[in-house]
Amino acid sequence: DQQVKQNSPSLSVQEGRISILNCDYTNSMFDYFLWYKKYPAEGPTFLISISSIKDKNEDGRFTVFLNKSAKHLSLHIVPSQPGDSAVYFCAAAQGGKLIFGQGTELSVKP
Amino acid sequence: EAQVTQNPRYLITVTGKKLTVTCSQNMNHEYMSWYRQDPGLGLRQIYYSMNVEVTDKGDVPEGYKVSRKEKRNFPLILESPSPNQTSLYFCASSFLSSEGLGNEQFFGPGTRLTVL
Repeated sequence: DQQVKQNSPSLSVQEGRISILNCDYTNSMFDYFLWYKKYPAEGPTFLISISSIKDKNEDGRFTVFLNKSAKHLSLHIVPSQPGDSAVYFCAAAQGGKLIFGQGTELSVKP
Repeated sequence: EAQVTQNPRYLITVTGKKLTVTCSQNMNHEYMSWYRQDPGLGLRQIYYSMNVEVTDKGDVPEGYKVSRKEKRNFPLILESPSPNQTSLYFCASSFLSSEGLGNEQFFGPGTRLTVL
């Protein structure tokens, strides 16, 4: 059973618009949620995280929203840029365990 | 330069031939972890270590071993590799906060393993 799910394998957005990437989870005991970005042939790079006791965290163009009652988190990228085109993974942490979603491939078109 | 290094980057081997993938970090991180990435499945955690001599199973530990004798190194051992262990492997490290794994994990460049 997949504890962390990203139901959209891909997303295409116009440059300058908002990109919204979604993630659902099943385990209410997760204490941190994180987003990573991955380019082909490279390791993932950290974007932003949020504690389970918060509902929003912002860092520049990236904002993560956490809705604990719905067990849902989302990453907003505003404005989207062509360099944001990559695979985005959400992840949930409980103690030392980190569980990733399947990833969403974002394509930002000029 | 702060980094996580993995060796080898590419490896083709045969079923049953023991192999080790090394991982080293120079950031004095307490936490280290191994993941495998497979199409459609995202990244799955194999083993992790919260500190020297402390290791724990992730989601997919079967067929793998790890050790953490020194803070900087966390090798992944496949005692008897099988074709279903063909995958892209990533090592990662981070500091640990009192709340857990909210800090940035730094990933290595990956090791592409093929088991024939």
